[in-house]
Amino acid sequence: EAGVAQSPRYKIIEKRQSVAFWCNPISGHATLYWYQQILGQGPKLLIQFQNNGVVDDSQLPKDRFSAERLKGVDSTLKIQPAKLEDSAVYLCASSFGQHLNSPLHFGNGTRLTVT
Amino acid sequence: GDSVTQMEGPVTLSEEAFLTINCTYTATGYPSLFWYVQYPGEGLQLLLKATKADDKGSNKGFEATYRKETTSFHLEKGSVQVSDSAVYFCALILNTGFQKLVFGTGTRLLVSP
Repeated sequence: EAGVAQSPRYKIIEKRQSVAFWCNPISGHATLYWYQQILGQGPKLLIQFQNNGVVDDSQLPKDRFSAERLKGVDSTLKIQPAKLEDSAVYLCASSFGQHLNSPLHFGNGTRLTVT
Repeated sequence: GDSVTQMEGPVTLSEEAFLTINCTYTATGYPSLFWYVQYPGEGLQLLLKATKADDKGSNKGFEATYRKETTSFHLEKGSVQVSDSAVYFCALILNTGFQKLVFGTGTRLLVSP
């Protein structure tokens, strides 16, 4: 099966600019996740979707970050305006369901550098 | 809050050496425990998991046992290969219904020939 697709692979922007990341999950996977992985740290969940609804966005900095999954398939994550501390790898993952026996499949991530 | 603590890396070993990567957790409930691996240039992959105390997860020669009494889930392999060089993440999910993975900081393993 095709894996989780993310683009772009790399992005360099200046602070205060905006940026968007795209994710296409595995076909049929209802649950989609965005994680932020800062260098030297483990991934941190930003937002979780079940189909096109938000399940958990408690750690999403909503003053600058937004995410949508309008048709319940692919998703975009946006940062506006970006700060230096947003430099990180942004990982998208998907799973068939929400229950524990539904493993997460991760994309290769988008590496963001904010200068 | 719920958290996972891993030993710092990098862990540097010669091929065929024995590997242990320590992982301990703090959780309010009874979590399921996971090890994920990230090979260079690739996405995170599930390596193994254990869902209750005393369970042993295993895959590709790696093993980890869920120890409730010591709140630990150490990763072991009897004989590492160069191809095992990667970053290993310990993680937990609380058994509360929906999946919210909490990751440790990761441990880089470097295996030399």
